Amino acid sequence: KQEVTQIPAALSVPEGENLVLNCSFTDSAIYNLQWFRQDPGKGLTSLLLIQSSQREQTSGRLNASLDKSSGRSTLYIAASQPGDSATYLCAVAGRGSTLGRLYFGRGTQLTVWP
Amino acid sequence: EAGVTQFPSHSVIEKGQTVTLRCDPISGHDNLYWYRRVMGKEIKFLLHFVKESKQDESGMPNNRFLAERTGGTYSTLKVQPAELEDSGVYFCASSRQYEQYFGPGTRLTVT
Repeated sequence: KQEVTQIPAALSVPEGENLVLNCSFTDSAIYNLQWFRQDPGKGLTSLLLIQSSQREQTSGRLNASLDKSSGRSTLYIAASQPGDSATYLCAVAGRGSTLGRLYFGRGTQLTVWP
Repeated sequence: EAGVTQFPSHSVIEKGQTVTLRCDPISGHDNLYWYRRVMGKEIKFLLHFVKESKQDESGMPNNRFLAERTGGTYSTLKVQPAELEDSGVYFCASSRQYEQYFGPGTRLTVT
C-alpha cells in the first residue's frame, strides 16, 4: 500500500528565503507525482505535475524534482513571499489497476512573514 | 474555462439522515474522482469514474455511500444513513488525462 510522507509538517520563514519541502513515498512504481497548494477553506490548486519518466518540472519560482528510485520528491520555492503562505500537498498516482488514484501526504503548512 | 464546482459548500445533518453531494467537472473531462479528508488525516481516494462508468471504487468506505455519474457529466455522492465518522471535507476532481483539477470541497458535518 502506497504511503506518502511530507516533512516538515509546518514551516515558518521570513520573506525572501529559499525553501525546500520534502515528500517521500514507499512504492516507487508510480505513474506521476503532483504538487498542490491549498489555501484555508479553499480547494486544491495544482502547481506542478512530474511524470515518472521526468526528473524535474519548473513553473516560475517553483521547481519540483523527482527521484523515483529512492521514493523522493522536493518542491523548491525561490525568494518566498507572504502570498506563498498555504498548505502544500504532495500526491502520487499509482499504476495499473490504481491508475488515476492519487495518494496524498498530510501536507506542509507554510507561513511566510513579511 | 470554468473550474470544478461542488454543491453545497457546507452541509450539517443529523446522524441517520441522508445527504447528497454534487460535483460538476470541467467540461470535456471524462475522468471524475471523489476524495475525502477527515479531521487530522490525509486526503483519501474514494472512487474514479471514466465517463459514466466506475473505473475504481475500491476506496468507498462501505455500502452507505453511493456515487453516480449521469450521462458522463455531473456526479452525485449520496451518504445514507449518515454516521458521525462521515464528517469531513469531500473533494471532487476531474481530469482530461493525468493532471487532476480539484473543486473547493463540501464540508460535511454529521451531528
